[in-house]
Amino acid sequence: EAGVTQFPSHSVIEKGQTVTLRCDPISGHDNLYWYRRVMGKEIKFLLHFVKESKQDESGMPNNRFLAERTGGTYSTLKVQPAELEDSGVYFCASSHGGLGRYNEQFFGPGTRLTVL
Amino acid sequence: LAKTTQPISMDSYEGQEVNITCSHNNIATNDYITWYQQFPSQGPRFIIQGYKTKVTNEVASLFIPADRKSSTLSLPRVSLSDTAVYYCLVGAISSGSARQLTFGSGTQLTVLP
Repeated sequence: EAGVTQFPSHSVIEKGQTVTLRCDPISGHDNLYWYRRVMGKEIKFLLHFVKESKQDESGMPNNRFLAERTGGTYSTLKVQPAELEDSGVYFCASSHGGLGRYNEQFFGPGTRLTVL
Repeated sequence: LAKTTQPISMDSYEGQEVNITCSHNNIATNDYITWYQQFPSQGPRFIIQGYKTKVTNEVASLFIPADRKSSTLSLPRVSLSDTAVYYCLVGAISSGSARQLTFGSGTQLTVLP
């Protein structure tokens, strides 16, 4: 079974440009999460989808970040316009459901974003 | 959300047992304790989860005392490939709700030959 995949693995852009990150969760997982780690900081939650609906977006830093999950399958996270402080590693995770394996989340390898 | 405290780093040698302790003094009644492992350039990976006493799986054991204010992840006979960052997370498992994970600083375990 394929795990969570993320694209691209690395992205280098200039300040003011737009970048779109993609996440493909494990097939059948209704829950999809975005996290990020900025330089020297802890991994922080950004938002949580249940199917195509945003369940919790309390971690989104500002309105330059837009996440979508059309059709409840893959998700995109767009940063527009990118700022220097957006540099970091963006992780996507998915889980099967609320209970079962105690909400075990499966993480992708992350996208390393560098804003110059 | 309960705050966790772990050692920043630990060193061990191949073949030894490693115990990493996490403090979570304000753990709530509904909170479970979960440990994740992260290798460089990879996302975190679930290791083990428990509520009280002892839990064991194929890779680790988790010891939780009666007061649940701390927990200890035990890795038997570590190898070089166990070098990674280990995170202790505490959070509630709500009925019908899959929730965000709250990561702390983690413990960098380095296994030496």
